[in-house]
Amino acid sequence: QVQLVESGGGVVQPGRSLRLSCAASGFAFSIYPMHWVRQAPGKGLEWVGVISYDGNNKDYADSVKGRFTISRDNSKNTLYLQLNSLRPGDTAIYYCARSSTGYTTSWFYPFDFWGQGTVVTVSS
Amino acid sequence: YVLTQPPSVSVAPGQTARITCGGNNIVSKSVHWYQQKPRQAPVLVVYDDADRPSGIPERFSGSNSGNTATLTISRVEAGDEADYYCHVWDTTSVFGGGTKLTVL
Repeated sequence: QVQLVESGGGVVQPGRSLRLSCAASGFAFSIYPMHWVRQAPGKGLEWVGVISYDGNNKDYADSVKGRFTISRDNSKNTLYLQLNSLRPGDTAIYYCARSSTGYTTSWFYPFDFWGQGTVVTVSS
Repeated sequence: YVLTQPPSVSVAPGQTARITCGGNNIVSKSVHWYQQKPRQAPVLVVYDDADRPSGIPERFSGSNSGNTATLTISRVEAGDEADYYCHVWDTTSVFGGGTKLTVL
């Protein structure tokens, strides 16, 4: 069965960095675009960004562009999110999610599987 | 692109719940719906306006017309109580603000 397990969250001071990981299993990770979505405490869902199946293409929400970087290691079935210059407004649960359609350079599809999330708290 | 959902919807068990998602000419887009129960990850319940992933009960259905997409939950059960989010792709990924479904 499809499993996505995030890790790497924690408490970090403003301006510092953090790297999140998402370990995938139960499906052919290397053929699917993958997304990060976050949810601030008591708030709704906010898309963070996406990476193509081969890692060659990426896109980000304006709110994180230039500060966050998505990468992947298909040999390790793992997705990453590097968070730099963190702000209190970045405090959230961070979910990785799979794009529903693989074998495509497009990622404009629903998110059919989600991880349980990892919590990032930015506070001094 | 902005998606507008009512903050809350309440319905008695066994009745039908309708959760709307408003957007400019939303009929031109594919609308997806997610269910999120407390302290759990979101689950896709309807995609491409009206299709259901495997394992999602037939009680969940969707429609899309004009400026409004609707998630309909028939024969509502206590276990359907959750937050529901609509989602579309515009130039970027856009979520509605979410609707809390309360089963009375």
